[in-house]
Parts: sequence; C-alpha cells; structure tokens
Amino acid sequence: DAGVIQSPRHEVTEMGQEVTLRCKPISGHNSLFWYRQTMMRGLELLIYFNNNVPIDDSGMPEDRFSAKMPNASFSTLKIQPSEPRDSAVYFCASSFGIQRELFFGEGSRLTVL
Amino acid sequence: LAKTTQPISMDSYEGQEVNITCSHNNIATNDYITWYQQFPSQGPRFIIQGYKTKVTNEVASLFIPADRKSSTLSLPRVSLSDTAVYYCLVGGHGSGNTGKLIFGQGTTLQVKP
Repeated sequence: DAGVIQSPRHEVTEMGQEVTLRCKPISGHNSLFWYRQTMMRGLELLIYFNNNVPIDDSGMPEDRFSAKMPNASFSTLKIQPSEPRDSAVYFCASSFGIQRELFFGEGSRLTVL
Repeated sequence: LAKTTQPISMDSYEGQEVNITCSHNNIATNDYITWYQQFPSQGPRFIIQGYKTKVTNEVASLFIPADRKSSTLSLPRVSLSDTAVYYCLVGGHGSGNTGKLIFGQGTTLQVKP
C-alpha cells in the first residue's frame, strides 16, 4: 500500500500568492483529516471529511482557507491569499471510519515569505 | 470533547522501561484512548489503542484503570530510536461521535545512551 500521499513536499511562496496542497488518502479509507503543525501551536485539526462530506471545519483559521474532497481519492487544501503566518507543515491523514487509526502522510512544508 | 493532559517532556536511558501517563478526566463512555508517536519531519504514527484494562502489542502496552480517567503508555526497554514526541488522544467509536480527533501538546521523550 502506498500510504497517504501528499504534494508538494515543500513549497516556498510569496505573501499574497495562492497555495494548493494535495492529498491522496489510502484506498478504501472514508475519513480524511487536514492538520497543521507549528512549533507554537502544535498539531491543529483544520477540517475533516467523512465519505467526502466536510463534517467539521471549525478549525479552519479564516476564510482564506478552503478545503475540498471531490471524490474518495483526492482532497485539496487551498490558501488564498497566503500570509507569512500560514508557514507550517500541513499533514493529511486518512482512516477507515471515524475515530479509527489515523494514517498520516509525510506532510507539506509551506513557507510564505 | 475530552481534553488530555500529559507531561511536556521526559528523559530516560537506553534499556529502561518508560511510562507516560495521560489524564483525561472527562472521557465519555464511547471514547477510546489512542497513542501516537511522531519523529521530526514525519507525520504521527499509531502506536496502540484501548478502551479499558490492558492492551499489549509488539511495541508497547497501554494500561487503563477502571475509572478510565487516565491511561499509561509503557515502552519496554527503550532505545535511542524511541526518542520522539508521544501523543495521547481520546475519541469515540460509537454513532453520534463527531470524529474530531484533537492532538494535545504531547510528551517529548529523550532517550540517552
């Protein structure tokens, strides 16, 4: 099994630019989670989906952030416009069923200058 | 949502047994207790999960007292490669649970030679 696949692994962009992070969950998993990790705030849950439907997006920092899951094998997290304080590692995780074992991707390290 | 409290850091030496305790005083009836391990530059990785009493797998044991208000992760004979951050999560499997898996601050374990 390929595991959870995230892209890009690293992205450096300038303030104001649009950033799109991508995630391919493990085949057969029906729950998908987006987390953000920084030294100051630790691992924060941004949003999660169950059967492609967003269940809770209360962790999304503000309207600049949006996430979609058009089908069971793909999800995107978009930041528009990006700001330096968005610099973090963004993790995608999937599971078979809510509250089951989470499988994390390797993360996307975002740097906004 | 059940909040968890763990020590921020712990030190140990190679070959010793390490016990990390997590407090979760308002754990709900349907909540399970799950522990994850995270190495630098990687996503968290599932270690063990339990509901009550004791659970053991090839890498760790999880002890949960009858009142379930705390749990203890036990790592037997740690090695340098066990140096990592350990997270305790609480969440339910039953219907109606939102699936909102929140990571706390975690415990940074430093294993010394």
